[in-house]
Amino acid sequence: AQRVTQPEKLLSVFKGAPVELKCNYSYSGSPELFWYVQYSRQRLQLLLRHISRESIKGFTADLNKGETSFHLKKPFAQEEDSAMYYCALSINNAGNMLTFGGGTRLMVKP
Amino acid sequence: NAGVTQTPKFQVLKTGQSMTLQCAQDMNHNSMYWYRQDPGMGLRLIYYSASEGTTDKGEVPNGYNVSRLNKREFSLRLESAAPSQTSVYFCASSAVRDYNSPLHFGNGTRLTVT
Repeated sequence: AQRVTQPEKLLSVFKGAPVELKCNYSYSGSPELFWYVQYSRQRLQLLLRHISRESIKGFTADLNKGETSFHLKKPFAQEEDSAMYYCALSINNAGNMLTFGGGTRLMVKP
Repeated sequence: NAGVTQTPKFQVLKTGQSMTLQCAQDMNHNSMYWYRQDPGMGLRLIYYSASEGTTDKGEVPNGYNVSRLNKREFSLRLESAAPSQTSVYFCASSAVRDYNSPLHFGNGTRLTVT
């Protein structure tokens, strides 16, 4: 069965510092990977998906099949980036049957 | 356009009591889902409905039942609540079956079973 691991439950950085939220997965096939984010008092929402190769709010994520990782990165963290981040994996073509990691809370200090 | 609406927002039950969590979406989405969120374990899929009239088990279906009442509504029922079902429950929906269809989540229902 597929599995998503986010090794850090909490990541605290100062404003302007680089951020890397780690995500590792286990799946024998070719998965699709996503990052979802939940800001305080807001709904969980899609941040980005690897298939789009997009940068959202300055965040990027590269799928490394050799290391089975999909780490989320941002060169300069902002206070408004403070949120709960979930890495998720889909094994079907629809990209909607998701297996989520345990989540990482990012705190960006002023 | 409210998106995905869940009711109630909070609920406290005693062991053995039953209740139904309601979910409705106004985006004309085909697929709907119920997840539970527990600390350190992320979101785990309980049940899903790929389209109106169909439901399937997810990762953790035991102790739950669902009903896809129509295209808009997807309810989750706990017939005999147990303390292990204390959690935050999220309903979600998605549109057509391709990668441009992210999940849209509701605000969640915080359930405590004593």
